[in-house]
Amino acid sequence: DTEVTQTPKHLVMGMTNKKSLKCEQHMGHRAMYWYKQKAKKPPELMFVYSYEKLSINESVPSRFSPECPNSSLLNLHLHALQPEDSALYLCASSQVAATSGNTIYFGEGSWLTVV
Amino acid sequence: KNEVEQSPQNLTAQEGEFITINCSYSVGISALHWLQQHPGGGIVSLFMLSSGKKKHGRLIATINIQEKHSSLHITASHPRDSAVYICAVRSSPSGSRLTFGEGTQLTVNP
Repeated sequence: DTEVTQTPKHLVMGMTNKKSLKCEQHMGHRAMYWYKQKAKKPPELMFVYSYEKLSINESVPSRFSPECPNSSLLNLHLHALQPEDSALYLCASSQVAATSGNTIYFGEGSWLTVV
Repeated sequence: KNEVEQSPQNLTAQEGEFITINCSYSVGISALHWLQQHPGGGIVSLFMLSSGKKKHGRLIATINIQEKHSSLHITASHPRDSAVYICAVRSSPSGSRLTFGEGTQLTVNP
């Protein structure tokens, strides 16, 4: 199983809503990532979890709140988002975060629209 | 100047043509990734390279560490190869970050 599974695939939310994006992998990877991608742009790193601990936060606004309940799951909690937060949110995983020899596996992404 | 530059930005080919996408980078790296992204959104990791050459089916990836350059080749291209191809580098052995190129939009016409 080399899959990273993301749910939901599409999400439309109002600016006052609270929602969550979910990501799951069963490859035994200990590093998991959240990326944000706007149209026709490369992905931008948001957060890195290494061994279930947050190791990198790329100065992401607090309206995005990551959570890693266990080594297989990664959530991104969303609250009071702005329309400019509409984007594709990609989850990824690798064996460990800080080793050059790791292949990184991406999920299909969650398309988020904030209205 | 971006740390990772790809060329061309857009590429249109006829089915069966040999395709080359180039990636140049300006930092020291420990690994370079070639990724494929279809319009649906998901990204597939095609290759991870730290030296030499790798081949998988019709895809070949090469890297020249001294020249800080990598190429992705597609032989006998097919319309299903139409996608965005992204070069990404890991800039140090201890780095968790990938630095991405802007991507190359490939369209293969039947």
